[in-house]
Amino acid sequence: EIVLTQSPATLSLSPGERATLSCRASQSVRTYLAWYQQKPGQAPRLLIYDASNRATGIPARFSGSGSGTDFTLTISSLEPEDFAVYYCQQRSNWLYTFGQGTKLDIK
Amino acid sequence: QVQLQESGPGLVKPSETLSLTCSVSGGSISSRSYYWSWIRQPAGKGLEWLGRVNVIGSPDYNPSLKSRVTISIDTSKNQFSLKLSSVTAADTAVYYCARMLWVTATTDVFDIWGQGTMVTVSS
Repeated sequence: EIVLTQSPATLSLSPGERATLSCRASQSVRTYLAWYQQKPGQAPRLLIYDASNRATGIPARFSGSGSGTDFTLTISSLEPEDFAVYYCQQRSNWLYTFGQGTKLDIK
Repeated sequence: QVQLQESGPGLVKPSETLSLTCSVSGGSISSRSYYWSWIRQPAGKGLEWLGRVNVIGSPDYNPSLKSRVTISIDTSKNQFSLKLSSVTAADTAVYYCARMLWVTATTDVFDIWGQGTMVTVSS
């Protein structure tokens, strides 16, 4: 099973700042990596797939990069609605796993 | 637009079987383009994929739960279901159903989710 490790566990920033979230895979997942955003009491929402492709309706301030084992989600300028928990997710051999999440909170 | 809604008991006794249903509205569950998944999330913790099903082929399950989980599809009711047997307190979680969409020829994602339903395992 491929394990995804996200860092940091918590990131405290202010609106307008740039956020950089990391996801590391225990072995290569090529570019089969997605990012989801989850707000309290809500289901996750798809942000990025294939490491760098924004899902439909996702603002351009969200971008993803990486391949192999190291991936990054960047939010270029934080809006108040961006403070949430972010999960990365991969698929390998038809087993889907998620990282443990990074909580982005307001400083 | 497609919407998913989970339903089922919110309280299950230890050693019994947890049973949930996901009703799909606004679209057909019979489309071969989609898989339908169950995912759970214990309070304050991360997400765990339980398994998936579609109208063709056999279901796929998370190996960590494979002996206890069964996912089935009912096209006549536009629903799919989860059964998890021999539950313990560790199975207490919010359970989500989700649609899986092929966004490319090789990549599928969880693009539509239900709101989730809390299931507590307790006597």
